[in-house]
Amino acid sequence: EAQVTQNPRYLITVTGKKLTVTCSQNMNHEYMSWYRQDPGLGLRQIYYSMNVEVTDKGDVPEGYKVSRKEKRNFPLILESPSPNQTSLYFCASSFADGYYGYTFGSGTRLTVV
Amino acid sequence: DAKTTQPPSMDCAEGRAANLPCNHSTISGNEYVYWYRQIHSQGPQYIIHGLKNNETNEMASLIITEDRKSSTLILPHATLRDTAVYYCIVRGPYAGGATNKLIFGTGTLLAVQP
Repeated sequence: EAQVTQNPRYLITVTGKKLTVTCSQNMNHEYMSWYRQDPGLGLRQIYYSMNVEVTDKGDVPEGYKVSRKEKRNFPLILESPSPNQTSLYFCASSFADGYYGYTFGSGTRLTVV
Repeated sequence: DAKTTQPPSMDCAEGRAANLPCNHSTISGNEYVYWYRQIHSQGPQYIIHGLKNNETNEMASLIITEDRKSSTLILPHATLRDTAVYYCIVRGPYAGGATNKLIFGTGTLLAVQP
């Protein structure tokens, strides 16, 4: 089944403790992206990647890192999480031009205390 | 990319057609209309897209007016599982880099009633 897999689904952590949210897709998509969703602010793009070793900032990149060493994987790294990064996170992928739409993962609900 | 306007919420009776409107009066000639939906806290799901012709797939139909300033997503026989936030997004053709980005608005919360 074609899908984007995120892990974990739920995570509670403490301020400053480094964490990684993994994202993997099995559709050979070139494009991958991370969004966060917050009440009243909607979905906002954090980072995106056009292909292996090609990443760029989205609208809200502060406090996040990403890497794209393999085409299928696009992990989101929070080096020193803070409470304002408590959010619902989604990974998405598509072919390079996005013409046929994005496929989203099921989401990761992160709470930083 | 052009801005879209959608009603914040709509109701629909189960088994009836749900017609979700979207205004995009500033749409450019080469911009597409995409529809996604998000069922409570799940990842958004692609539904359909079109340029100027009406489109239909297994999930829905998309009707775009001749002047392309508005469109309607039609779910022909709504079920309780169609209760979700529906997003209408206008996006230009791919021109490299960040032009692939989807910009989500606030969408329409469709509540399908039994």
